[in-house]
Amino acid sequence: GEEVAQTPKHLVRGEGQKAKLYCAPIKGHSYVFWYQQVLKNEFKFLISFQNENVFDETGMPKERFSAKCLPNSPCSLEIQATKLEDSAVYFCASSQGQGAYYGYTFGSGTRLTVV
Amino acid sequence: DAKTTQPNSMESNEEEPVHLPCNHSTISGTDYIHWYRQLPSQGPEYVIHGLTSNVNNRMASLAIAEDRKSSTLILHRATLRDAAVYYCIPFRANSKLTFGKGITLSVRP
Repeated sequence: GEEVAQTPKHLVRGEGQKAKLYCAPIKGHSYVFWYQQVLKNEFKFLISFQNENVFDETGMPKERFSAKCLPNSPCSLEIQATKLEDSAVYFCASSQGQGAYYGYTFGSGTRLTVV
Repeated sequence: DAKTTQPNSMESNEEEPVHLPCNHSTISGTDYIHWYRQLPSQGPEYVIHGLTSNVNNRMASLAIAEDRKSSTLILHRATLRDAAVYYCIPFRANSKLTFGKGITLSVRP
């Protein structure tokens, strides 16, 4: 399809529980990106993939966050042992290429609330 | 990454043109200039991008200064649906999209 599909739209977890978010990129797009938006107007890059390979993980908190993009499956972002500070909207984007010539197409996000 | 400076906010009237400025004086020669917007409760949306020449698409026009140290996003006829936060982002090959604070555009009916 021509949209990036993120599920679920909303997720509520108790502190310490696991959270798993999913992203189906646009067919034919080989790059996937995850961003975290905690406050309005503030985005934090987390990780990017080229197909199933990690391309850039410089923004990933190593201890509790992990992500995968496996063939023929939606990409996923998993947070083990969630903390209150993980409450945010998580956006996934996909792109035809990594270079700046291509724009990113973003999904509508998953709102994670940790209580 | 090149730093950008945008006003915090701008107001416009419906059906009038809007010019959103952006300064990016530290831009490198290979950085493309991308513009995205985020409507309330939605993900960022690609608007337009360019390298040196002015660009037009169905959403907007992008005017790039000759020295490339600034650019202006032009919405030809603002609608209420254009109320959003607009981000100007210099984007280098093999890097990632890095969002700044953006400019909040309000549109008056």
